[in-house]
Amino acid sequence: SQQGEEDPQALSIQEGENATMNCSYKTSINNLQWYRQNSGRGLVHLILIRSNEREKHSGRLRVTLDTSKKSSSLLITASRAADTASYFCASVEPGTYKYIFGTGTRLKVLA
Amino acid sequence: DTAVSQTPKYLVTQMGNDKSIKCEQNLGHDTMYWYKQDSKKFLKIMFSYNNKELIINETVPNRFSPKSPDKAHLNLHINSLELGDSAVYFCASSHRSGVQYFGPGTRLTVT
Repeated sequence: SQQGEEDPQALSIQEGENATMNCSYKTSINNLQWYRQNSGRGLVHLILIRSNEREKHSGRLRVTLDTSKKSSSLLITASRAADTASYFCASVEPGTYKYIFGTGTRLKVLA
Repeated sequence: DTAVSQTPKYLVTQMGNDKSIKCEQNLGHDTMYWYKQDSKKFLKIMFSYNNKELIINETVPNRFSPKSPDKAHLNLHINSLELGDSAVYFCASSHRSGVQYFGPGTRLTVT
């Protein structure tokens, strides 16, 4: 299967704690993206990291990329109940328009 | 204005019927996609069109036929619907391999 893998599959934390999700992919990439999906909704883009970048920040989000291990992580700091959602990584192969999505992490932030 | 819109939002139909889902984007993107999200939330690419040309056609039964009348529209027609076709179908658009913008999804239930 080309599907990327994410772990954990599910994560439950208290408000204010940090949440870390990991993603592994199988091919070389042009970039890797993280998306969020609220229940019953479409995916919303969070952050994009290019293959020549190692770390990127956006507000409370921090993404790292290790191309030698074909892995990425998403850290959400000081989580809020509103962060409750599923989070997906998507790898994009060079020279293609093909996005391979991970299996997703369901995050639940308890108030 | 909605960036990527899909109709209908819900579709309930019987096995053997033929149905269509429509998608429109007003972002000026050159690439559009159809994804299928199953009950386990796995998101898999089905088709992609770039400037009205089919560029990705994953292992999808030929009962599924995409049609792109112009760059802003990508429709999905499904013949002889089967129980296993029940899923949420998402349309998305992007400029090359950049950020993808997703529609709200069409929940298809085949009975």
